[in-house]
Amino acid sequence: GAGVSQSPSNKVTEKGKDVELRCDPISGHTALYWYRQRLGQGLEFLIYFQGNSAPDKSGLPSDRFSAERTGESVSTLTIQRTQQEDSAVYLCASSLGGANEQFFGPGTRLTVL
Amino acid sequence: AQSVTQLGSHVSVSEGALVLLRCNYSSSVPPYLFWYVQYPNQGLQLLLKYTSAATLVKGINGFEAEFKKSETSFHLTKPSAHMRDAAEYFCAVSDETGTYKYIFGTGTRLKVLA
Repeated sequence: GAGVSQSPSNKVTEKGKDVELRCDPISGHTALYWYRQRLGQGLEFLIYFQGNSAPDKSGLPSDRFSAERTGESVSTLTIQRTQQEDSAVYLCASSLGGANEQFFGPGTRLTVL
Repeated sequence: AQSVTQLGSHVSVSEGALVLLRCNYSSSVPPYLFWYVQYPNQGLQLLLKYTSAATLVKGINGFEAEFKKSETSFHLTKPSAHMRDAAEYFCAVSDETGTYKYIFGTGTRLKVLA
């Protein structure tokens, strides 16, 4: 069956531009997570969705970062006024909720010049 | 606060040798623990998970891990390394506040020598 998909796979942008990253979770998965993986570092949590609401946004690094989820499906992570330190691989994961396994997408590699 | 520590950012083993990747966690409640593998240019794939059933957990590709509460450890092992095991391995603990978000270790890159 289809797994978690993310688009684009790669994004190169100039400092100060806005970017949108998309995640299509596995159908029926109510929980959706965004993580960030910076070069040489582990994965860090950004935001968690249960359905269309985000009860935990504690990992968003600044108010330049926002995310939404619609139809209990697709999620978009938006980064405004990108900075070079935003360069990373952004990973999306979905699950059936609770302690169920999270399934990860292939990630979007963002490079801010 | 919960945390995960992976000792050794890089581990090299010879093909056919034992693989041991270390993971220690801190948690105030019985944890859910996971090992994921990331092959080059690919996403994360679940190797195995501990959810308070058997303390010895068997996963895919011949990997297993043992939950030791007294040592707060969840080390990953494989009796005999294959070249295809070369990848980055991440240990994670599931958050105890109810979101079940993962708290990851910094990862261990495994190199398998011919």
